[in-house]
Amino acid sequence: EVQLVESGGGLVKPGGSLRLSCAASGFTFSNAWMSWVRQAPGKGLEWVGRIKSKADTGTTDYAAPVKGRFTISRDDSKNTLYLQMNSLKTEDTAVYYCTTDSMDRRAFDIWGQGTMVTVSS
Amino acid sequence: DIQMTQSPSSLSASVGDRVTITCRASQSIGSYLSWYQQKPGKAPKLLIYVASNLQAGVPSRFSGSGSGTDFTLTISGLQPEDFATYCCQQSYTTPRTFGQGTKVEIK
Repeated sequence: EVQLVESGGGLVKPGGSLRLSCAASGFTFSNAWMSWVRQAPGKGLEWVGRIKSKADTGTTDYAAPVKGRFTISRDDSKNTLYLQMNSLKTEDTAVYYCTTDSMDRRAFDIWGQGTMVTVSS
Repeated sequence: DIQMTQSPSSLSASVGDRVTITCRASQSIGSYLSWYQQKPGKAPKLLIYVASNLQAGVPSRFSGSGSGTDFTLTISGLQPEDFATYCCQQSYTTPRTFGQGTKVEIK
């Protein structure tokens, strides 16, 4: 079964750090481009950033609000995607989803269930 | 960044109705437009990719059309399980951007 399972969410104080993980199964993770998408409470979807497969350079791109604070990485040996979040702000409070960034469909075709991150003092 | 604007923001419809949601991009995005369905507390689900291609497993009552800047999602014969929020998303360039969503409610 194709699956993405996020973990690592929780409550953190402003200025703090958190690392999210996304475990992939049921497909060839090493070939996949992966993205993180977030959704603040009661709001729409917001793309956070993307990492390409290592075969396609493995480079990352980020949305402006998180650039310089968030880092996306991957461990293909563990079929796991990561999102390191530093200098967290209250406006980073959201459900964070990992998703496959399908190259042929040019769409986010597999989604995890999401993990909640709350930034509050 | 490319801005995606959906209309309407919400609509009320009855089972069996034909529903149309539009999405406009702030610049041409070719056909690189996807549609997603999201139910409360759940992850989004891909319905349509590259403007008009139906994702595997999605009922054929869903269809998409358009190119350039103007796109449409149509649900032909609304079913009870279709009451949800729908949003569009462009994959022409980064940053990937989403529309604000259209909530389809029961009349």
